[in-house]
Amino acid sequence: DSGVTQTPKHLITATGQRVTLRCSPRSGDLSVYWYQQSLDQGLQFLIQYYNGEERAKGNILERFSAQQFPDLHSELNLSSLELGDSALYFCASSVSVRGYGYTFGSGTRLTVV
Amino acid sequence: QQPVQSPQAVILREGEDAVINCSSSKALYSVHWYRQKHGEAPVFLMILLKGGEQKGHEKISASFNEKKQQSSLYLTASQLSYSGTYFCGTEPWASGGGADGLTFGKGTHLIIQP
Repeated sequence: DSGVTQTPKHLITATGQRVTLRCSPRSGDLSVYWYQQSLDQGLQFLIQYYNGEERAKGNILERFSAQQFPDLHSELNLSSLELGDSALYFCASSVSVRGYGYTFGSGTRLTVV
Repeated sequence: QQPVQSPQAVILREGEDAVINCSSSKALYSVHWYRQKHGEAPVFLMILLKGGEQKGHEKISASFNEKKQQSSLYLTASQLSYSGTYFCGTEPWASGGGADGLTFGKGTHLIIQP
């Protein structure tokens, strides 16, 4: 157990639907990151939050949004899902905004059918 | 911009050594190394910071050439448990708002045979 909790572990949904992925960071970590991993694209950075505020955005589609709550847990919302959104979605946390290693959660495997 | 890793894949016998390289076209603040086994999450191995500071595990060593923006991960006396995909991740020196997520390379597949 890495200390980063992601739910659900697996999600199967139809095209056009909306889903929410949840992440609780390791105790004491203030930064939360979301990554998408697919076979052809590798690990792609989506978005970072630090202590409740958005800090950096990567290749996140407009159909995707995220937020970090006062208790530091984070949610990633994916809407108008397409087949190409099928991937592993990882949440990671770290102590601060930079200069520290990331602890990854076990991921949510999203399958869009 | 994505860092470039080499080689793409390595096959070793137990006890042999390996070097995995990572290079960036940007000035870097830090380089991270992670190992991911199939179907599992990436696991942090080491971070190398501009200025020479290193934080990581005792059995893994790495170097960071700040002039060339290159890092190398050294795996010595490899064990079966070292098998997996190794990713380097880079944090740029100049970043918007003082923070950017890691940009990962495409990974190096390491297979250790008995």
